[in-house]
Amino acid sequence: SQQGEEDPQALSIQEGENATMNCSYKTSINNLQWYRQNSGRGLVHLILIRSNEREKHSGRLRVTLDTSKKSSSLLITASRAADTASYFCAGGRRALTFGSGTRLQVQP
Amino acid sequence: DVKVTQSSRYLVKRTGEKVFLECVQDMDHENMFWYRQDPGLGLRLIYFSYDVKMKEKGDIPEGYSVSREKKERFSLILESASTNQTSMYLCASSLLGTSGRAPNEQFFGPGTRLTVL
Repeated sequence: SQQGEEDPQALSIQEGENATMNCSYKTSINNLQWYRQNSGRGLVHLILIRSNEREKHSGRLRVTLDTSKKSSSLLITASRAADTASYFCAGGRRALTFGSGTRLQVQP
Repeated sequence: DVKVTQSSRYLVKRTGEKVFLECVQDMDHENMFWYRQDPGLGLRLIYFSYDVKMKEKGDIPEGYSVSREKKERFSLILESASTNQTSMYLCASSLLGTSGRAPNEQFFGPGTRLTVL
């Protein structure tokens, strides 16, 4: 079963624009994590937000968490062509369950 | 830097063959995981392990088994490969979670793309 459902499934923007990806999850979580995957590669951890946190920043990334709505969002500001990748949310209590991802295309 | 390595990037096997996928991590992580990734389905957890000789089923364990004889190595075994096991297989490791075993950041290997003919 998938924990997270990302929305949109695909997103295409111009360099310099902001990209927002949303994630809804089903069961209770201890934390929610976002990962990035370049085509044909393994995933790379971006940011972790605990269930008692509402917002977290890391460089150009901003993550929010609303446990009452079981949702999270990832904002990438001032996007670059190098941000082109798939982005996944993942959550759980012991093991992570991943969503199906958002494919982000940043046009130079 | 944490390094998670997988034995092959690409693998082609025949239906019915026994297939071993090996994963090694060099950061003394307690947790190790095997996922498969298919288009439109994201990552699905096959098995994970919190300690040597310990394993737990994930969401889709059918047709797979695992072995963890040493802390740094976690093997995924397809006893009799079938065409529906054609997929990208990803291994990951993480530190054991504290405070209720909350899941920690996972470090992934580069993946093995397995094709079963």
